[in-house]
Amino acid sequence: ELKVEQNPLFLSMQEGKNYTIYCNYSTTSDRLYWYRQDPGKSLESLFVLLSNGAVKQEGRLMASLDTKARLSTLHITAAVHDLSATYFCAVGMDSNYQLIWGAGTKLIIKP
Amino acid sequence: DAGVIQSPRHEVTEMGQEVTLRCKPISGHNSLFWYRQTMMRGLELLIYFNNNVPIDDSGMPEDRFSAKMPNASFSTLKIQPSEPRDSAVYFCASRRGWEGAGELFFGEGSRLTVL
Repeated sequence: ELKVEQNPLFLSMQEGKNYTIYCNYSTTSDRLYWYRQDPGKSLESLFVLLSNGAVKQEGRLMASLDTKARLSTLHITAAVHDLSATYFCAVGMDSNYQLIWGAGTKLIIKP
Repeated sequence: DAGVIQSPRHEVTEMGQEVTLRCKPISGHNSLFWYRQTMMRGLELLIYFNNNVPIDDSGMPEDRFSAKMPNASFSTLKIQPSEPRDSAVYFCASRRGWEGAGELFFGEGSRLTVL
């Protein structure tokens, strides 16, 4: 059974700091997704990672995938208040429609 | 292009009443998912349709829940009778294709409160 663990589940940080959210999963997978959710809002796709060593960046967010370690990271550089949200990773099961979701990391960035 | 459209956005009802949630997927997307989100259980997949056919309904909590997709542009999730424990945000999401790398596109959700 594929399990996905995110940590930390809650993160409060100051603007301008760097931090990393981790997403570990338990079995092989061929794709990993990062989503953002603002309070009371929908889930917005941030990144799709499809291969070992994949790295994608958008603004202050950078996501990477290590399929051998079964680990993805979401790195935040010089955080700003607008990045406050809950971030989810989701792992795709090989050749299957299913996505297994992490519990989410609630990120609060204080001015 | 319009995204996934859900209605109603908010629904408050009393226990025992029937609730119907609606979803219009993105045009051209042939996979549709209904999820439920709560603080306690996170995101739960309720049912998955491909080409309007239910493929996996193992996440539907019990017989009180039913879902249909009569055509490629419309799906409903019905709860009858509703109970307070059904209170949650229900999301519909769509994707192009049945498997592979495409990400899910989510609607704004329907927030259901059962009193």
